[in-house]
Order: sequence, then C-alpha cells, then structure tokens
Amino acid sequence: ETGVTQSPTHLIKTRGQQVTLRCSSQSGHNTVSWYQQALGQGPQFIFQYYREEENGRGNFPPRFSGLQFPNYSSELNVNALELDDSALYLCASSPGGGRGGTEAFFGQGTRLTVV
Amino acid sequence: ILNVEQSPQSLHVQEGDSTNFTCSFPSSNFYALHWYRWETAKSPEALFVMTLNGDEKKKGRISATLNTKEGYSYLYIKGSQPEDSATYLCALRDDYKLSFGAGTTVTVRA
Repeated sequence: ETGVTQSPTHLIKTRGQQVTLRCSSQSGHNTVSWYQQALGQGPQFIFQYYREEENGRGNFPPRFSGLQFPNYSSELNVNALELDDSALYLCASSPGGGRGGTEAFFGQGTRLTVV
Repeated sequence: ILNVEQSPQSLHVQEGDSTNFTCSFPSSNFYALHWYRWETAKSPEALFVMTLNGDEKKKGRISATLNTKEGYSYLYIKGSQPEDSATYLCALRDDYKLSFGAGTTVTVRA
C-alpha cells in the first residue's frame, strides 16, 4: 500500500448538494493532487496543493475547491453537485512540490455517485 | 494538457504468453513518463518513471521503453500470470500535473 488514505470510500449525494472528500498524504510528502476519473476515461487533473497553497489547476469550474492543512492532509469540496460529477476521485501525494520526475503515490479513491 | 493515447483499450492474454502495449504522445514537451498498474479496488501502483529518450526500465517480468523522438512508450509483460491482470495507465508529467491516457486493461486467462 502507498500510505495515502482517502475517506470516505463511497458516498451517494443528491444533485445540488455539497460534498467534502478527504485525503491523508504519505508521511514526508508536502504536495497533494486531486484527480477525477469518469467511467471509461483516464484520471483528469483537478488541482494541486503545495505547502497549503493551490499550485496549479485543471479545467474544472470554481465549485471544485480544496484545502491543504499544516499536516499536508487535504480536502476536496464540490458545491452544487451535478449528475456528471459522479466519478472516482483520486488523491495523490508527492514530495518536493511534485515536479519533474517525482513519483506520485495514489490513494484508493472515493467513489461519488450523484443522483 | 498533454494528449496521451493508449492502445489497445483492452487485451486478453493466455497465461504464460508475453504481451506488450503502447502509450503514444504527440509532443516530447514533458518532464517524465509514468507507468502505473491499477488492480480493481486498489490504488494505482507506480511501476516506472522514465525521463530520457532510450530509457529502459525493468521490474521483474515487466519492462518498459521510451522513445521521445517518435512519441511512444512500450510496456512489456513476459510470461503473463493471472496476477498481472490489471489496468495499466500511462501518464506524462509536465510542470506539476500528470496527464493520463485511458489505460490498457489486461486480462490473463489461466
């Protein structure tokens, strides 16, 4: 196992609601990235946090937001849920800003279903 | 966003046979190419990080090559075993993010 833990593993929400997903990074890693994997696609980059600051963002609307805490754990918040937000959400942690050839270690993901 | 394509989408292999599949990309403007193995209900497992044209990496029966000039990486599985059944993801890292292909799902039949 990678040492990256995500919670919850599954959840079901209703359209319009808000959700918070959580990620604990591997010990010693100061960078957390979030990815969304829709059915039949590869994971898509949402954003990255490095030392509690957003360090880069993919093509996702502002209702996707995040936080990183002093212990480098992270949250992904999604407001005004839409049916298309149903996906597997993956968290990855890396050392040193996650740049260059740095390896990223993934959690098992949170399966979100929006009904 | 870096465009990454993987082929085939899925393949079935007889136990003991060897196989290979491709990750292709139109641009060499990235820092590294990553291969991950992803078994059902588990987290993606890092296999290789490759940075230089001509890189070859090996881990047990699995190996990979990188050709940045022609825009492809191959992953090889020698003597496939049932435990090799998984989805294999290729990703390119630019400054801070990974851009993934859709994966190749390998099923090894006993």
